[in-house]
Amino acid sequence: GAVVSQHPSRVICKSGTSVKIECRSLDFQATTMFWYRQFPKQSLMLMATSNEGSKATYEQGVEKDKFLINHASLTLSTLTVTSAHPEDSSFYICSARVTGGAGNEQFFGPGTRLTVL
Amino acid sequence: AQKITQTQPGMFVQEKEAVTLDCTYDTSDQSYGLFWYKQPSSGEMIFLIYQGSYDEQNATEGRYSLNFQKARKSANLVISASQLGDSAMYFCAMREGRRGSARQLTFGSGTQLTVLP
Repeated sequence: GAVVSQHPSRVICKSGTSVKIECRSLDFQATTMFWYRQFPKQSLMLMATSNEGSKATYEQGVEKDKFLINHASLTLSTLTVTSAHPEDSSFYICSARVTGGAGNEQFFGPGTRLTVL
Repeated sequence: AQKITQTQPGMFVQEKEAVTLDCTYDTSDQSYGLFWYKQPSSGEMIFLIYQGSYDEQNATEGRYSLNFQKARKSANLVISASQLGDSAMYFCAMREGRRGSARQLTFGSGTQLTVLP
């Protein structure tokens, strides 16, 4: 299957700092990427849908000014957690759909574990 | 209302036995897709199997099969000949809309499967 990478895999930061997480589709182009958040032992909650060349679509309750998403190319989307606080500590997972494909599969990155001190 | 319901927070199965993980869904769309993902402790989401709403036959992928009962709106995952490496969290997910739809996946709450030696 297609490969999606995320960087970094783990990050620890101080409260008030900003953290950028990269999501890359390595061997395919992805017009649409999705950002999920997962708390321990809970399900994945969609945060936003990232569209190449346009603004991201945020889910209800997700602050767009706090979670900045940029989808600058067909292979890269970034999520920036601005002014991070301890409650932002979570597992962030990105996902990508193949552009022009059948669209049955959605490939996930390995996730980024964010810990805010 | 929950779109995807997984009623089994945890399941245990003896190695080499079969196990069924339950999933029911709720949608008014005629076209939709159902997915199962495996999430080991490392966090990555591994795609297992897909069933389209118009597929007449139940999907199978190796030891995984999907027991699709459209009238009951259930899409249970059956794992045959369980292996220790099958121990993980399993998520059922649905995408509403036609094949290739840009709509996002909605996940259930997950079932933690433990395979006993």
